[in-house]
Amino acid sequence: KAGVTQTPRYLIKTRGQQVTLSCSPISGHRSVSWYQQTPGQGLQFLFEYFSETQRNKGNFPGRFSGRQFSNSRSEMNVSTLELGDSALYLCASSLFAGATSYEQYFGPGTRLTVT
Amino acid sequence: AQSVTQLGSHVSVSEGALVLLRCNYSSSVPPYLFWYVQYPNQGLQLLLKYTTGATLVKGINGFEAEFKKSETSFHLTKPSAHMSDAAEYFCAVSYSGGYQKVTFGTGTKLQVIP
Repeated sequence: KAGVTQTPRYLIKTRGQQVTLSCSPISGHRSVSWYQQTPGQGLQFLFEYFSETQRNKGNFPGRFSGRQFSNSRSEMNVSTLELGDSALYLCASSLFAGATSYEQYFGPGTRLTVT
Repeated sequence: AQSVTQLGSHVSVSEGALVLLRCNYSSSVPPYLFWYVQYPNQGLQLLLKYTTGATLVKGINGFEAEFKKSETSFHLTKPSAHMSDAAEYFCAVSYSGGYQKVTFGTGTKLQVIP
């Protein structure tokens, strides 16, 4: 079974631009979560989607948004990029949201650099 | 609100020595606890998890962790460190009911000295 894939793997953007990151979950998984990882803040939860609906949201500004498609693939968008948005963005998939085990499978991440 | 504290952002052990990575959690309801490992330029991989039942949990690569409710701890151990264990380790907490997010600790980088 193929793992979680994220595209692109690396991205360089300029302040003020917007960016869209993509995540394809493991086949059969319906839940996709997004995390931002930085050296200073560690892993911070952005949001979770299940069956095309946002089920949970972290404490990030409205510039961060996401969506999930009927095939469970997910995208996240960051508008008006700031230098502080430079981070590794990780996507994780799981069979269900709120499942008793809540075991997540992570993709390799997208390294975003904002200049 | 749930939270996780990992004591020690960097831990060094000699090859063959005991690995002990500490994790304490705070949760108002019975928690689900996880340990993940992250190798350079990769995503996180689940090592082991505790949901209910046996408090001593065995995971992959020889790691195990013990859930101690009285100490609100879930420390990760491995009897004998291997060079390939060098990575960053994250403790995480969640709980059942509804759509619960997972809260991660700040991570501990493990260095294995030959």
